[in-house]
Amino acid sequence: QLQLQNSGPGLVKPSETLSLTCTVSGGSITSSSYSWGWIRQPPGKGLEWIGTIYYDGGTFYTPSLKSRVTISVDTSKNRFSLTLGSVTAADTAVYYCARHLGYCSNSRCFGDYAMDVWGQGTTVTVSS
Amino acid sequence: EVVLTQSPATLSGSPGERATLSCRASQSLSNNLAWYQQKPGQAPRLLIYGASNRATGIPARFSGSGSGSQFTLTISSLQSDDFAIYYCQHYNNWPLTFGGGTKVEIK
Repeated sequence: QLQLQNSGPGLVKPSETLSLTCTVSGGSITSSSYSWGWIRQPPGKGLEWIGTIYYDGGTFYTPSLKSRVTISVDTSKNRFSLTLGSVTAADTAVYYCARHLGYCSNSRCFGDYAMDVWGQGTTVTVSS
Repeated sequence: EVVLTQSPATLSGSPGERATLSCRASQSLSNNLAWYQQKPGQAPRLLIYGASNRATGIPARFSGSGSGSQFTLTISSLQSDDFAIYYCQHYNNWPLTFGGGTKVEIK
């Protein structure tokens, strides 16, 4: 059974960089039928999609965070990562990783970009 | 960017009652819409994708319908385990967005 495990620091100082990793177990991150995403949820608020990556490195980001976000994949360690730079208190949230039921390759997208498997979430607080 | 508007914000229901949740999109999505359930302190759980396809292991009392810009999640008979927040999410184009959620609470 596929599982996603979030990891990373729970406290980040303002203006610094947030870095999180999601390790995939019970399946391969290079599976051609899926892609991998990050989503966040500020305290007491709704869900916000951050970005998505396919194992070939192709990425999509939400416009409001695009200038500060990088999502990368390490196929040798079966994991993918999120970095968010120049953080402020507004970036305080629970950060989730998830698997998408679809993928995009060579400028074409296939399947459904719903998210069927989620990590447990990491609470990240931005504070000095 | 697609804006998803969910209504009502809060739905009060009793066990055994039928619950109908709505999600309206600012543009046509074809059937590229999913529904999630989230309980306090937990990650969201996929219920429905492709507007009407139940995800693996989801009970038959959950059903999705709609296409274009108007979608509905129906819980045919509320169970105690169903009191939670429900979100819709589109994937018709980039960026992906979520609705603001509907909280289903016990009357």
